[in-house]
Amino acid sequence: DIQMTQSPSSLSASVGDRVTITCRATQSISNFVNWYQQKPGKAPKLLIYYASTLQTGVPSRFSGSGSGTHFTLTISSLQPDDFATYYCQQSYSSPPITFGQGTRLDMK
Amino acid sequence: QVQLQESGPGLVRPSETLSLTCKVSGASISPYYWTWIRQAPGKGLEWIGYVYHNGDTKYNLSLKSRLTMSVDTSKNDFSLKLTSTTAADTAVYYCARGSGNFVSWGQGTLVTVSS
Repeated sequence: DIQMTQSPSSLSASVGDRVTITCRATQSISNFVNWYQQKPGKAPKLLIYYASTLQTGVPSRFSGSGSGTHFTLTISSLQPDDFATYYCQQSYSSPPITFGQGTRLDMK
Repeated sequence: QVQLQESGPGLVRPSETLSLTCKVSGASISPYYWTWIRQAPGKGLEWIGYVYHNGDTKYNLSLKSRLTMSVDTSKNDFSLKLTSTTAADTAVYYCARGSGNFVSWGQGTLVTVSS
């Protein structure tokens, strides 16, 4: 199975900060990485697919990059609505599709 | 706009079968893939598997021996059955459309395995 490791596991930041979350895969997965945002009690929301394509309706302050084994999700200027948990997910090899363990982003 | 709604018992006794259905509205079951994902309390996301509109399936190998997924095109829904449950199967179960990335999700349903 392809393992996805996110860092950091948790992060404290302030409104207006630039935030970067990293995801590493245990083998090359081209650009088959998606990023999700999840708020408590809610289903995850797709933000980015194929590593860098912004899902329709997602604010442009979110961006993704990377290929191979190293991927990043960046929020250019943190907004109050962005405090949540973020997950990366690989769809290169199935079964199984695998997720990172999550990065909890909270307010400093 | 597609909407998904999970339904099923919220409490399952250990060793019994967990059965859930996901009702799809606003879109046809065909020609899509339909996925189940779960999240244990306070934990991350675990992919369970998917079923294609024609009934083809792919399962997480860690659950495969206990798992059955099916689709009912006449009812426009799809189902999951997980046998021989234990407390480790306690989770919020989500249904979603797609096989690689997941745009549309149900709200999730908590299933507790406990006597």
